[in-house]
Amino acid sequence: DTAVSQTPKYLVTQMGNDKSIKCEQNLGHDTMYWYKQDSKKFLKIMFSYNNKELIINETVPNRFSPKSPDKAHLNLHINSLELGDSAVYFCASSPSGNHYEQYFGPGTRLTVT
Amino acid sequence: GENVEQHPSTLSVQEGDSAVIKCTYSDSASNYFPWYKQELGKGPQLIIDIRSNVGEKKDQRIAVTLNKTAKHFSLHITETQPEDSAVYFCAARIPPNSGYALNFGKGTSLLVTP
Repeated sequence: DTAVSQTPKYLVTQMGNDKSIKCEQNLGHDTMYWYKQDSKKFLKIMFSYNNKELIINETVPNRFSPKSPDKAHLNLHINSLELGDSAVYFCASSPSGNHYEQYFGPGTRLTVT
Repeated sequence: GENVEQHPSTLSVQEGDSAVIKCTYSDSASNYFPWYKQELGKGPQLIIDIRSNVGEKKDQRIAVTLNKTAKHFSLHITETQPEDSAVYFCAARIPPNSGYALNFGKGTSLLVTP
């Protein structure tokens, strides 16, 4: 029944590894986003995808790459993980038209050791 | 880019009192201002929003006001209850060329004590 879902909820991994976080929405929205929330709770946009096209990339290292196999999914791949990547990552989606009302997933807490 | 300032960073009120959180934004082109509530271990939940062509919006105990001239907007929660305790975020969005992304304030941790 969840509108925006993410897996896994928790991810613990070592520096240098490559990992992926999956996101799915069943709302029929056509724009999806990834946000990063740091240890101070600050939420910052990383990417947004509209109709399978990346439309923004906010100074995110190229180790991070979003991949959208279809309109309902936007996965986040991270290569060569670093300690500073530890954070909570949220996926969100918004409807077509004016793209108001973004709905967030439950988050993935990534810990890099 | 858009810069959103939010105050206060923490707010403690007694049950039944009102709570007010204020935000300012820098880009006059911003046209959409949502408020999110985030409970511990959960994702942000949209609680109310306002668009730039409206000055005030109310939904039961919560209301948002927008002053476009001064570039500030506020969240008002009346008759607060312990379950209102959470972190609240304001946000602003610049029209399409920003990719529809939201720029968030740094959050207000609200504690409602019984």
